[in-house]
Amino acid sequence: AQRVTQPEKLLSVFKGAPVELKCNYSYSGSPELFWYVQYSRQRLQLLLRHISRESIKGFTADLNKGETSFHLKKPFAQEEDSAMYYCALRRGTDKLIFGTGTRLQVFP
Amino acid sequence: GAVVSQHPSWVICKSGTSVKIECRSLDFQATTMFWYRQFPKQSLMLMATSNEGSKATYEQGVEKDKFLINHASLTLSTLTVTSAHPEDSSFYICSARVVFTDTQYFGPGTRLTVL
Repeated sequence: AQRVTQPEKLLSVFKGAPVELKCNYSYSGSPELFWYVQYSRQRLQLLLRHISRESIKGFTADLNKGETSFHLKKPFAQEEDSAMYYCALRRGTDKLIFGTGTRLQVFP
Repeated sequence: GAVVSQHPSWVICKSGTSVKIECRSLDFQATTMFWYRQFPKQSLMLMATSNEGSKATYEQGVEKDKFLINHASLTLSTLTVTSAHPEDSSFYICSARVVFTDTQYFGPGTRLTVL
């Protein structure tokens, strides 16, 4: 069965510290993975997708098929990064399967 | 960027009544819209996929007679929670896929509370 696992519900760091939000998936086909972010009182928005291999707001994520992981990383966290982060797997052409989310708190 | 709106943003209703939630793509056309449900501190669970001009496709375990979906135009999909009960209280979120792309944009969500 397709599944996305985010083991950490809460991740707290100080400003300037490195951040890694973990995401593991199970999927029998070729996965397409995404990270979505939800800032306080805002809607869910796409942060990045693995096929783009880009860095958005200093965040990067590499798909590791051997470990079935798609961890989100940022070398130096900022206070404005505080938000809820969801890892998602696209199943078929459209359907997104979301992980349970990780709340990132960045303290000054 | 593309904007998806939902109306109402919150609603409180009595048990047994029906509630309609609208999802609109404001500046783009969306042949496909998705409806999600999110319980407090839990993830988004896909309820159904709505395609313009055809019947919605429901995920396993979602009652299609309970959650009626209509996608009458390329910019509007509606979710009607029929005979709502307290266990239907949740946060309902829609997303819309831009036509001819695989990009989805999310609405702000509608909080439903059934008394």
